[in-house]
Amino acid sequence: EPEVTQTPSHQVTQMGQEVILRCVPISNHLYFYWYRQILGQKVEFLVSFYNNEISEKSEIFDDQFSVERPDGSNFTLKIRSTKLEDSAMYFCASSQQETQYFGPGTRLLVL
Amino acid sequence: GQNIDQPTEMTATEGAIVQINCTYQTSGFNGLFWYQQHAGEAPTFLSYNVLDGLEEKGRFSSFLSRSKGYSYLLLKELQMKDSASYLCAPVDSNYQLIWGAGTKLIIKP
Repeated sequence: EPEVTQTPSHQVTQMGQEVILRCVPISNHLYFYWYRQILGQKVEFLVSFYNNEISEKSEIFDDQFSVERPDGSNFTLKIRSTKLEDSAMYFCASSQQETQYFGPGTRLLVL
Repeated sequence: GQNIDQPTEMTATEGAIVQINCTYQTSGFNGLFWYQQHAGEAPTFLSYNVLDGLEEKGRFSSFLSRSKGYSYLLLKELQMKDSASYLCAPVDSNYQLIWGAGTKLIIKP
């Protein structure tokens, strides 16, 4: 069964550094999403992406964040200058219609 | 504003039945999802209700009442592996999932 994959599974970085989180959505899906979940808290929407552009973004998704679909398979989230509070689990999801399927997540730790 | 209300934690016995309730208020409504999330893992899709009524899928069933802003997830024949958080996520007018804090379900032998 096709699934969403994410790399790396864990990332440790220094505050102020740039990180790129990578996702490979399910191949025939058209809608892509990034979410984050701070430890012990609820899932938070970051951004949705369709037809090679951002369709929705939350207040969390400020100028430090960007998304890209550099080729036909990858979907990336870049954080330009990480802050301590960016430490969280980052989930990518994709959907063909309504149902979103989540990747296993990248655990980001900012020191 | 948008709001999801679920119990924080529930405990049930292996082999029993448990019902997890969810009430919601959203700006617009385009269905409601239930996801299961084991600690440290990604949410996994359980069900999607758009119309009122009960949807049954194996041991899990989900119910929706749009007029009451209410849904429940019913888990039968509980197994130890069902210990997880269960996330109720209605979809608003922008087709965004609105996430609650989830209900942590603890299954005891």
